[in-house]
Amino acid sequence: DAKTTQPNSMESNEEEPVHLPCNHSTISGTDYIHWYRQLPSQGPEYVIHGLTSNVNNRMASLAIAEDRKSSTLILHRATLRDAAVYYCIPHGGATNKLIFGTGTLLAVQP
Amino acid sequence: DAGITQSPRHKVTETGTPVTLRCHQTENHRYMYWYRQDPGHGLRLIHYSYGVKDTDKGEVSDGYSVSRSKTEDFLLTLESATSSQTSVYFCAISVGSNSPLHFGNGTRLTVT
Repeated sequence: DAKTTQPNSMESNEEEPVHLPCNHSTISGTDYIHWYRQLPSQGPEYVIHGLTSNVNNRMASLAIAEDRKSSTLILHRATLRDAAVYYCIPHGGATNKLIFGTGTLLAVQP
Repeated sequence: DAGITQSPRHKVTETGTPVTLRCHQTENHRYMYWYRQDPGHGLRLIHYSYGVKDTDKGEVSDGYSVSRSKTEDFLLTLESATSSQTSVYFCAISVGSNSPLHFGNGTRLTVT
């Protein structure tokens, strides 16, 4: 699995956009980029994933660099409920066994 | 939580005793996973299953065994619990390749 680099922590203000970066320079051509988040005292929660094109869903948007060596998770309007640890996980393969790193702890200020 | 039930939710046990944690799903997903989470280590994969009776090791499998005799149940066994196995254990399920993982609420295990 590709190595990832994410900031240890970030801060945002409520109702402002948040851009969470991830570097994955060793990603292979068939790896998808998965994002999960973990709220305090809960299990991880799927956010979004993509391969090459930018992806949108009701939770977030995923912007993938053209060379695929980095990606950015975009929360369009942060809420207090978005305070969590966000994990970026490049992965491919049939077994789908995701290897989690330490992620980015996002704090949202009111 | 995507039809995943982990039991028990909390358990305290003594060093050297056997412990079995159960993950039950109602989604008929092929893949099931056991992770543990400790402060400073994030989530680490213990074992996973890609079908009935088909299992494989993850990153930290020593001291753990698993069994999957039915699609819906994935059991994690600590044959002889040690204090280093005190952790929060999460089960996850997935339809398959590049599909999202859905996690249970976790089991908090304390080995004294």
